[in-house]
Amino acid sequence: EDQVTQSPEALRLQEGESSSLNCSYTVSGLRGLFWYRQDPGKGPEFLFTLYSAGEEKEKERLKATLTKKESFLHITAPKPEDSATYLCAVQAHGNTGKLIFGQGTTLQVKP
Amino acid sequence: DTEVTQTPKHLVMGMTNKKSLKCEQHMGHRAMYWYKQKAKKPPELMFVYSYEKLSINESVPSRFSPECPNSSLLNLHLHALQPEDSALYLCASSRGTGNNEKLFFGSGTQLSVL
Repeated sequence: EDQVTQSPEALRLQEGESSSLNCSYTVSGLRGLFWYRQDPGKGPEFLFTLYSAGEEKEKERLKATLTKKESFLHITAPKPEDSATYLCAVQAHGNTGKLIFGQGTTLQVKP
Repeated sequence: DTEVTQTPKHLVMGMTNKKSLKCEQHMGHRAMYWYKQKAKKPPELMFVYSYEKLSINESVPSRFSPECPNSSLLNLHLHALQPEDSALYLCASSRGTGNNEKLFFGSGTQLSVL
């Protein structure tokens, strides 16, 4: 069964304190791994797509990496406005159009 | 325009009511989705439309009835809902349903069933 597990469930950081979020996945053929950011009461906002091991993508203070079993979202020198829930999702072979989401990591960055 | 617009933003309905959620995009996307999200849980797929045809129904109860009148519009008709159906309903769109097609989400409709 295709599965996505994110850790930690919640993370509190001081402003400027770098850290990483983890997304472990088990899928029958990965077509793509996606990172989204979701603010309370809003829809998820697309951040990155990764689809092959070794791939890396960056956007401002965020960097996403991918291995054959997991992905990391590295947050460098976070600011309070980075506070949100970060969702990881995978698209598997044979599941056309379907994304399987992890439970998310809720990040709080204190000034 | 890179927006997916959902209306209404909030909806309160009784168990005997009939209501509809609406979703619109003008990005030329040919795939549209309905997701359901309970509080502090991830989004769960309900339906996928590809080129205006229903391609995935995740065994959703018949009290939820999707409709795709054209490539820009997606509706979700609600009838005889239960209190446990209260959730954030998210619409999304993508260029297609192929590899690595990123989904653009709307802000959702927060539904409360009394």
